[in-house]
Amino acid sequence: DGGITQSPKYLFRKEGQNVTLSCEQNLNHDAMYWYRQDPGQGLRLIYYSQIVNDFQKGDIAEGYSVSREKKESFPLTVTSAQKNPTAFYLCASWTGRGLDTGELFFGEGSRLTVL
Amino acid sequence: RKEVEQDPGPFNVPEGATVAFNCTYSNSASQSFFWYRQDCRKEPKLLMSVYSSGNEDGRFTAQLNRASQYISLLIRDSKLSDSATYLCVVKPYGNKLVFGAGTILRVKS
Repeated sequence: DGGITQSPKYLFRKEGQNVTLSCEQNLNHDAMYWYRQDPGQGLRLIYYSQIVNDFQKGDIAEGYSVSREKKESFPLTVTSAQKNPTAFYLCASWTGRGLDTGELFFGEGSRLTVL
Repeated sequence: RKEVEQDPGPFNVPEGATVAFNCTYSNSASQSFFWYRQDCRKEPKLLMSVYSSGNEDGRFTAQLNRASQYISLLIRDSKLSDSATYLCVVKPYGNKLVFGAGTILRVKS
């Protein structure tokens, strides 16, 4: 079955450590996204990538980094520079071929807790 | 002003009730609009896309009012299983999508 796989589902990290969240899709989608969700808040865009080897900062990119070496993979690294990394992280891909049609399809998310 | 605003609720309604949520957006050039449903501690899932003047899917009706820059979601004959957070999503340009903070619906027996 096609879908987006995020791992790990739950992750605990000590302050000062970098951590990488995996996002893999087998849907052949070009555009991929990383969002962060905090309790009682909407999703906020961290980074997005429209094609391989290209990515753009979203609204809250500070303290995060990404790569897009393969179409299927869009890993997110949460660095020690991120002040409040505890959150629910969601990876998504855009299902449409063009910009006007399609929808965002999400993975099941990764819940990061900094101790 | 936030780009997308929603009443956070919660809306507490009995089974069988009709309930409506509104969502306002600030960018008048926005072209695409969506309602997503999010269950507790789960990922959002598409409920409905709203591309023109509105559309209906079973008990759910979405309306778009471009003049007043809002979209609405109407749920008829509410079920217990409709309890969730409903996210309004607006696509102002390109591949950027902006999410509202969500409206909580609780349907009670």
